[in-house]
Amino acid sequence: ILNVEQSPQSLHVQEGDSTNFTCSFPSSNFYALHWYRWETAKSPEALFVMTLNGDEKKKGRISATLNTKEGYSYLYIKGSQPEDSATYLCAFPTSARQLTFGSGTQLTVLP
Amino acid sequence: DTAVSQTPKYLVTQMGNDKSIKCEQNLGHDTMYWYKQDSKKFLKIMFSYNNKELIINETVPNRFSPKSPDKAHLNLHINSLELGDSAVYFCASSQGRGSNQPQHFGDGTRLSIL
Repeated sequence: ILNVEQSPQSLHVQEGDSTNFTCSFPSSNFYALHWYRWETAKSPEALFVMTLNGDEKKKGRISATLNTKEGYSYLYIKGSQPEDSATYLCAFPTSARQLTFGSGTQLTVLP
Repeated sequence: DTAVSQTPKYLVTQMGNDKSIKCEQNLGHDTMYWYKQDSKKFLKIMFSYNNKELIINETVPNRFSPKSPDKAHLNLHINSLELGDSAVYFCASSQGRGSNQPQHFGDGTRLSIL
């Protein structure tokens, strides 16, 4: 059974703070690692798909890094804003190329 | 324009009924998926469908069946609904069956069984 684990489960930060969270996944048979943002009452929205060890991707104030050998990815948010409040999910493909999602990190940015 | 649309948004029905949820995508993608958001808020894959190749998650009861009239549609049909089927169901699509393409999600259908 593949386990994708995310930490912390929830996080409260002040507006302007930078923050980061972790996704751990099995390091064997790596295909890709996905990050999604899921705002309340909306649908999950793709942030990044990372495929190479050492990959670093950036989208505005959000960036992510990938270490496939040790099986983790970090998501960073620089200068958090209230609109960044959401659940951040990572997902890892199984051998059938179907995504296994983590339980997410719920971020609340306080004004 | 909505990229992945699901209907209905809410579905309330009685135990034992048969119901369908429709999904359409206008992104030109060739792979579509159904997910169930379980009671712990996890997203669990139910099916993926690509060029008439169906991959079924082994934990999905055979009362659930996907039906794809064409590449842009993947409907979910559920027979003999049970109380445990109450959940939010999400449709998604991506280009290619490979795992290196992002998935685009619909807004979800909240199914409530009375």
